[in-house]
Amino acid sequence: DAKTTQPNSMESNEEEPVHLPCNHSTISGTDYIHWYRQLPSQGPEYVIHGLTSNVNNRMASLAIAEDRKSSTLILHRATLRDAAVYYCILPRAGTYKYIFGTGTRLKVLA
Amino acid sequence: GAVVSQHPSWVICKSGTSVKIECRSLDFQATTMFWYRQFPKQSLMLMATSNEGSKATYEQGVEKDKFLINHASLTLSTLTVTSAHPEDSSFYICSARSLDGYNEQFFGPGTRLTVL
Repeated sequence: DAKTTQPNSMESNEEEPVHLPCNHSTISGTDYIHWYRQLPSQGPEYVIHGLTSNVNNRMASLAIAEDRKSSTLILHRATLRDAAVYYCILPRAGTYKYIFGTGTRLKVLA
Repeated sequence: GAVVSQHPSWVICKSGTSVKIECRSLDFQATTMFWYRQFPKQSLMLMATSNEGSKATYEQGVEKDKFLINHASLTLSTLTVTSAHPEDSSFYICSARSLDGYNEQFFGPGTRLTVL
């Protein structure tokens, strides 16, 4: 399975931007990069996904390195409600099966 | 957006009994659903892939006779934990793969199972 590596935890001040990194050096050419977040005792929530180009939606931006071996999820203005575990996910090769790594626990300070 | 529900949201049962958990895609059709389990402070672990009209495929190390999966329609998959034991206590989460867009998965809210 393609492996993703994320920092275990990060902190941010409220109203400031947050950059959450993910390394995925074994990514294949056709793999989409998916980001989800999970609040305590809830199922994961879709955040954003991308293939090669940078992507934006109402929740976040996704910056993908030119060689696709890393990506960064950008929350433009962190709020207390953004405190969660953020997962960078690659599907198992040739399938749609998500393989979750350890994720990054984001703490937002008021 | 696409919504996935699970029922029940929590269940407590005695050791040796069986428990059924339902996963429904409410506003879209899902030919494929996935079942995960999550222990406290840990990440999600994929247990099995549920395909409508065919047998589920299980991840290595997951007992198919213990975790029975049925995907009877395009909007419903069920997971039955048979002869549950305390070590089966966990947070069970399903997801459904949408055929629209880029095949992203939408997750249910999870079911907390406690076996006494």
